Amino acid sequence: EAGVVQSPRYKIIEKKQPVAFWCNPISGHNTLYWYLQNLGQGPELLIRYENEEAVDDSQLPKDRFSAERLKGVDSTLKIQPAELGDSAVYLCASSAFEETDTQYFGPGTRLTVL
Amino acid sequence: AQSVTQLGSHVSVSEGALVLLRCNYSSSVPPYLFWYVQYPNQGLQLLLKYTSAATLVKGINGFEAEFKKSETSFHLTKPSAHMSDAAEYFCAVRSNTGNQFYFGTGTSLTVIP
Repeated sequence: EAGVVQSPRYKIIEKKQPVAFWCNPISGHNTLYWYLQNLGQGPELLIRYENEEAVDDSQLPKDRFSAERLKGVDSTLKIQPAELGDSAVYLCASSAFEETDTQYFGPGTRLTVL
Repeated sequence: AQSVTQLGSHVSVSEGALVLLRCNYSSSVPPYLFWYVQYPNQGLQLLLKYTSAATLVKGINGFEAEFKKSETSFHLTKPSAHMSDAAEYFCAVRSNTGNQFYFGTGTSLTVIP
């Protein structure tokens, strides 16, 4: 069984440029999470989807961040424009309806904003 | 609101020695608690979880953790450290009102040969 897939693995951009991250969860997992992980810190939730519905986006900086999960499967997280402080690892995780307490994480996308 | 505190951002042990990583939780109701491991440039991998069943939880790679309500703790232990245990370890708690997880700041484990 394939795990959570994220791309790209690494991204370097200049500030004020847009950037997008893609996540494909484990097949059949209806819950998808996007986390931000700063260096030396634990993951912090940005947004959680139940199928195609964003059920918790209270920590998503909506002035520059957006996300979508149009068909309830894969998801895209976008930043426009990127700022220096956005440099971090962006993690995607998914969980199954019958096992909501177990998250499976992807390898993350490491973003560097210059 | 639930939260977890990990005491000690860096822990060093000798190979073969006991590993003890500390986690204390804050919750008004019995929580669901988790330990994750993160190797460099990888995502988090679940080591073990406590979901109100047995207080001593056994996980993968020889790790275990004991839920102690009186101490509000969920410390992670392993009797004998291996070089491959060197990684970042995160304690996490799940909210009782939804699928929200709150992670600690992590403990970096170094294993000395």
